[in-house]
Amino acid sequence: SQKIEQNSEALNIQEGKTATLTCNYTNYSPAYLQWYRQDPGRGPVFLLLIRENEKEKRKERLKVTFDTTLKQSLFHITASQPADSATYLCARNGGDSSYKLIFGSGTRLLVRP
Amino acid sequence: DTAVSQTPKYLVTQMGNDKSIKCEQNLGHDTMYWYKQDSKKFLKIMFSYNNKELIINETVPNRFSPKSPDKAHLNLHINSLELGDSAVYFCASSQSNNSPLHFGNGTRLTVT
Repeated sequence: SQKIEQNSEALNIQEGKTATLTCNYTNYSPAYLQWYRQDPGRGPVFLLLIRENEKEKRKERLKVTFDTTLKQSLFHITASQPADSATYLCARNGGDSSYKLIFGSGTRLLVRP
Repeated sequence: DTAVSQTPKYLVTQMGNDKSIKCEQNLGHDTMYWYKQDSKKFLKIMFSYNNKELIINETVPNRFSPKSPDKAHLNLHINSLELGDSAVYFCASSQSNNSPLHFGNGTRLTVT
């Protein structure tokens, strides 16, 4: 079965540094990966989508990479700010339905001022 | 304007009761979903409807029954609630398959 694995340990970094979060998947490469941000008591908010044939995607201070050899996606936040503190979820499309998203458990990011 | 809204935000009830959670989206999307987030924060899909037609039905007990009266609404009814049903339930919608999901802010269900 397809799985998404994210580091369950929180990432604690200093303001201004680059945060890098990892997402690993099993089995065959998904057609795309999506990244979401979730704040306590709120629903996930979509950030970026990267397709299998794309190596990298950027949006303002965010960058996502997709490495089909390593079966991995990296999510970077440059010049991190305390407001970036949240849980970041990675998701892949499910193989048996293009409507199904399979989520990882998320990595909590804490940016210290 | 809230894009995906679900009610109630909190629901505390006793075992054996029947309860419903309502969801509405004003984005004009064709597809709506119910996800369950457990204590370990895993988001797992339960159901999906496309144009009022059920297209995904994961391994969910029959006690859970979704109802889609129209494209903009997807309600979740739960019969005979059990302790293990305690979780946060999220409604979401998307424009089509392979599109990003827009989530509501969740309903925290506590079964005592």
